[in-house]
Amino acid sequence: NAGVTQTPKFRVLKTGQSMTLLCAQDMNHEYMYWYRQDPGMGLRLIHYSVGEGTTAKGEVPDGYNVSRLKKQNFLLGLESAAPSQTSVYFCASRPTGSYEQYFGPGTRLTVT
Amino acid sequence: GQQVMQIPQYQHVQEGEDFTTYCNSSTTLSNIQWYKQRPGGHPVFLIQLVKSGEVKKQKRLTFQFGEAKKNSSLHITATQTTDVGTYFCAFRNAGNMLTFGGGTRLMVKP
Repeated sequence: NAGVTQTPKFRVLKTGQSMTLLCAQDMNHEYMYWYRQDPGMGLRLIHYSVGEGTTAKGEVPDGYNVSRLKKQNFLLGLESAAPSQTSVYFCASRPTGSYEQYFGPGTRLTVT
Repeated sequence: GQQVMQIPQYQHVQEGEDFTTYCNSSTTLSNIQWYKQRPGGHPVFLIQLVKSGEVKKQKRLTFQFGEAKKNSSLHITATQTTDVGTYFCAFRNAGNMLTFGGGTRLMVKP
């Protein structure tokens, strides 16, 4: 049982490049979330999903897109990266009926 | 929208000293959660409080939810080096989204 995994762990992008971050969970959780964490700050919700095939905007969705084609995977896309998107990205999941979120190890993204 | 503020932002303590972090809201919260994030790690859920005046303990950690449900605190008795990290409070809104406070970074000198 790997829990929540994230790929890649680190990435450096140039401004304007695109990339996709992958989050996978093997706990059969319905809910999945993408957060970003900037230095010295708490986590801010980017997008979330309440089940396969559904997505919704969080607090800071601009510049990001997401997809949840399979229940176990939640993808976060950056179509045209900007330096303001330099951050650590965390994925989380939780089962229906529980309030506890389980976080992945994070992806450290730098946009130059 | 609703927000929570955490104080202090940083705290240095000598090992064995107590530590407290506070989480404050200007509006009534239906719940409060606490997470711990070790340096370089990911947030790990510690607890959720939902009742007015609720107090819960986990070994050396004591969590409180205020009577007015506008504030919460996490108190660590006799800190250890393993307590190092950032402690976040967060609340779950009606849409089941979590909003996090800015965190309190705890540093423990051995």
